[in-house]
Amino acid sequence: RKEVEQDPGPFNVPEGATVAFNCTYSNSASQSFFWYRQDCRKEPKLLMSVYSSGNEDGRFTAQLNRASQYISLLIRDSKLSDSATYLCAGDMRFGAGTRLTVKP
Amino acid sequence: NAGVTQTPKFQVLKTGQSMTLQCAQDMNHEYMSWYRQDPGMGLRLIHYSVGAGITDQGEVPNGYNVSRSTTEDFPLRLLSAAPSQTSVYFCASTTLDPRRNNEQFFGPGTRLTVL
Repeated sequence: RKEVEQDPGPFNVPEGATVAFNCTYSNSASQSFFWYRQDCRKEPKLLMSVYSSGNEDGRFTAQLNRASQYISLLIRDSKLSDSATYLCAGDMRFGAGTRLTVKP
Repeated sequence: NAGVTQTPKFQVLKTGQSMTLQCAQDMNHEYMSWYRQDPGMGLRLIHYSVGAGITDQGEVPNGYNVSRSTTEDFPLRLLSAAPSQTSVYFCASTTLDPRRNNEQFFGPGTRLTVL
């Protein structure tokens, strides 16, 4: 079983939609959590860190639930430019990534 | 800062050949790692290092060797390439300073094909 499990999708949504991604992690000792964005044939880049108190960056909101060992990413008002693969990470372990396509 | 650099960008090998993928970072990061990315499998950790002279195995270390003689460089060696090692390889680095965010910075990747 992978340390970080993520729904691979794909998610196909219209512009303006709200979409949510979830990941679960198995190592209860994991300390730091992140969401990365990866565009086609490019390297992953940090989207945002995830804190227990939850954090928001514009249209993006990340949450961490330590009791249930999952992290989530909410994207509001989706844009065409949000189309990418989103990877969750717990410490140095990554989920498989969720492919998002936002359509006009 | 160049960040994390990787060479080569593309490589084609024949089964049984050996080669070294190069990785360097100029951010004075203690932690460096190698991942491979295959369709549907996400990023899988091959080897990692928490500082010069220290390396350890990740999830999928078989067939790969690493060394960390300096803080900046972390080469990955394929000893005898196999078709199963066809993949995209990413090197990454981060700080272990608990006062700083330890997000990982990735290199641009090496696309390896083993025939």
